[in-house]
Amino acid sequence: QQQVKQSPQSLIVQKGGISIINCAYENTAFDYFPWYQQFPGKGPALLIAIRPDVSEKKEGRFTISFNKSAKQFSLHIMDSQPGDSATYFCAARTRLTNFGNEKLTFGTGTRLTIIP
Amino acid sequence: DSGVTQTPKHLITATGQRVTLRCSPRSGDLSVYWYQQSLDQGLQFLIQYYNGEERAKGNILERFSAQQFPDLHSELNLSSLELGDSALYFCASSVAGVVTDTQYFGPGTRLTVL
Repeated sequence: QQQVKQSPQSLIVQKGGISIINCAYENTAFDYFPWYQQFPGKGPALLIAIRPDVSEKKEGRFTISFNKSAKQFSLHIMDSQPGDSATYFCAARTRLTNFGNEKLTFGTGTRLTIIP
Repeated sequence: DSGVTQTPKHLITATGQRVTLRCSPRSGDLSVYWYQQSLDQGLQFLIQYYNGEERAKGNILERFSAQQFPDLHSELNLSSLELGDSALYFCASSVAGVVTDTQYFGPGTRLTVL
């Protein structure tokens, strides 16, 4: 019930195309859904995040779509660029108390490659 | 640069040994989290500290322990090391207590157990 299932494992998209990565979860206690971007040799960095009371959030070329009833959320990267080539992780947060006690459960990651 | 620092960057040691990984959170952040990233297990939450106290535990082995000091830096101690402990260990920090808290990750420590 704590799992977050992420697909695909790897994705190749042409420059200018749309990259789509999907995640699904079971635990209804998750209350916050961030996406992290990780470049080789670096730590994950927060890209964009959404709360379950919102169905979509857009920041620049990055959009999260959230379907609460289906327990699914996805990351869309519009006009994909070679610099977007990285590993992307979806995550879901469980807040165990109201203050300061939380866990992030990560998906297994998607290696995105943008080709010219 | 996330503002989270981790030392050392690389660590090579032998089975059975003990190592200590160090993390300094971003200025003002009270929470520290430790994660293990390996090829077969992905990114796994190990443990969280908030203002010096343990707050949440994940998949942390009994051979592993952590603490957060009064100056808020944290150390992760790994003992009786096994080959399978080879992984990237990340520390993250957050302000904690705010709904839209973000966890900021450090650059990681790559541990190789030979």
